[in-house]
Amino acid sequence: KAGVTQTPRYLIKTRGQQVTLSCSPISGHRSVSWYQQTPGQGLQFLFEYFSETQRNKGNFPGRFSGRQFSNSRSEMNVSTLELGDSALYLCASSLALEANEQFFGPGTRLTVL
Amino acid sequence: GENVEQHPSTLSVQEGDSAVIKCTYSDSASNYFPWYKQELGKRPQLIIDIRSNVGEKKDQRIAVTLNKTAKHFSLHITETQPEDSAVYFCAASGGADGLTFGKGTHLIIQP
Repeated sequence: KAGVTQTPRYLIKTRGQQVTLSCSPISGHRSVSWYQQTPGQGLQFLFEYFSETQRNKGNFPGRFSGRQFSNSRSEMNVSTLELGDSALYLCASSLALEANEQFFGPGTRLTVL
Repeated sequence: GENVEQHPSTLSVQEGDSAVIKCTYSDSASNYFPWYKQELGKRPQLIIDIRSNVGEKKDQRIAVTLNKTAKHFSLHITETQPEDSAVYFCAASGGADGLTFGKGTHLIIQP
């Protein structure tokens, strides 16, 4: 079974721009979660999608948004980029919501200049 | 929301010795506790997990223990090998906030 995939793997943007990241979960997995990883803050939960609906949301500003499609693929969008948004963005898929094994993708490394 | 504390931040052990990493959590509703290993430049990989109805779980050289009363759980690695060198993250889940991670432990295996 193919693992979680994310595209693109690397992105360089400038302040004020917006960016869209994509995640394809493991086949059969219906839940996709997004995390931001930085050296200072570690791994922080952004949001979780299940059946095309956002089920949970972390403590991030409204500039961070996402969606999930009927095939369970998910995208996250960050608008009006700030320098502090530079991070590794990881998505993880699981069979169902909450308290289930989550499997991570390789991440998208976003650099904001 | 949930808060997970992880100690130590860095752990150096001799090859062949045991390593123990400890985490505490704050939300008594949390019921799922995974551990992830992340090698440099790679994705976090699930190595073992435990649910709140179990006190201990073992998988070869790796074991996890959970004390629900004290709200802490630990990762034990025995007979450490060079390939065990990595950053290890504990996490807790059960509510509506996804996985809450500890800050990570950099495990160094000295030859």
